[in-house]
Amino acid sequence: AQSVTQLDSQVPVFEEAPVELRCNYSSSVSVYLFWYVQYPNQGLQLLLKYLSGSTLVKGINGFEAEFNKSQTSFHLRKPSVHISDTAEYFCAVSSLSGGYNKLIFGAGTRLAVHP
Amino acid sequence: DVKVTQSSRYLVKRTGEKVFLECVQDMDHENMFWYRQDPGLGLRLIYFSYDVKMKEKGDIPEGYSVSREKKERFSLILESASTNQTSMYLCASFLRGYTFGSGTRLTVV
Repeated sequence: AQSVTQLDSQVPVFEEAPVELRCNYSSSVSVYLFWYVQYPNQGLQLLLKYLSGSTLVKGINGFEAEFNKSQTSFHLRKPSVHISDTAEYFCAVSSLSGGYNKLIFGAGTRLAVHP
Repeated sequence: DVKVTQSSRYLVKRTGEKVFLECVQDMDHENMFWYRQDPGLGLRLIYFSYDVKMKEKGDIPEGYSVSREKKERFSLILESASTNQTSMYLCASFLRGYTFGSGTRLTVV
């Protein structure tokens, strides 16, 4: 069975500082990996995804993530955050299970950007 | 762009009521999902459906059922609402990627 662990429940950071949100997964089969963002009182929006190919994936709003198969990690990074990046971020893994494609989420990381 | 619409943004229901949460997608997707979101737990899969009249249990199906009579509509049913079902409920559909609705915040009093 697949599972996702987001290592930090909350990450406070100052504006214009770099940030890394950590995500580890476990799976015995090939996976697809995703990062979603949820702004206050809104639904989930896809930031980026890894399906295959280059292990460095670039997404929207200046975010990027690196797939590391040996460490089973998919950490999200941004070199300089803005106040508007304050949101909750979810890492997710998807794979075929019993013929169905299911998305399994981590518990989320709340990013708080301070001026 | 695919649209996934959840009919209610906020709902307040009484304990013991039967509750219907509706979700409609406009792109003929076969796969649809219901999640609940709780602080510190992330999103947990309740039920999913891969075709009309087909359904599969997710990780936390207890206390819920679903209905998929038409491809575009996937309903989540709380047969007898309880206070521990107070949560944010998110619907999603999938073809080559997942699209989520805006969510329904259900409060059971």
